[in-house]
Amino acid sequence: NAGVTQTPKFRILKIGQSMTLQCTQDMNHNYMYWYRQDPGMGLKLIYYSVGAGITDKGEVPNGYNVSRSTTEDFPLRLELAAPSQTSVYFCASRPSGSGRDSGELFFGEGSRLTVL
Amino acid sequence: GENVEQHPSTLSVQEGDSAVIKCTYSDSASNYFPWYKQELGKGPQLIIDIRSNVGEKKDQRIAVTLNKTAKHFSLHITETQPEDSAVYFCAASFNDYKLSFGAGTTVTVRA
Repeated sequence: NAGVTQTPKFRILKIGQSMTLQCTQDMNHNYMYWYRQDPGMGLKLIYYSVGAGITDKGEVPNGYNVSRSTTEDFPLRLELAAPSQTSVYFCASRPSGSGRDSGELFFGEGSRLTVL
Repeated sequence: GENVEQHPSTLSVQEGDSAVIKCTYSDSASNYFPWYKQELGKGPQLIIDIRSNVGEKKDQRIAVTLNKTAKHFSLHITETQPEDSAVYFCAASFNDYKLSFGAGTTVTVRA
């Protein structure tokens, strides 16, 4: 299993450009998430999905869009990039259900985005 | 929504000493409290978690304690080693699938 794979690892964007961060997982997890990590701020939830065709906003969704057409893929789209979107982005997944062993989030290695 | 506060933001300990990180949460309905470790250039990884029906859980050199009345939980690392140097995040959740994270603690273990 590759786990959660994110691409690209690094990207520099100009203000106003758009791009898509790709995320795919091979663990057949229903739940997928996008977080952003800023220094001293922890991880903030951008969007999440509980299954194919279902997405919902997290704490900081403005300026982002997502789609979930398959169980495996959960791309994050940035429209009209702004300097405030300079951050490290993490995709994560976990199995559905509840109980003792289902809470663990599996994270990708992150995508570092700089908007200049 | 849930608000999780984490202290301290940085922690430096001598190798072999103990490290303690504390978190408080705001939503009394929260019932799941995981801790994640993030090494440089990597994504966070779960190291231990606790649910609200227990007060303490141990796994080798790490332990987590939970005080639901006071709405705080702590991570304890004993006999620290250089490989324990990392950023540690606490988190809380009331519905088991949407976590709120603390701001993180950078732990440095001095040789």
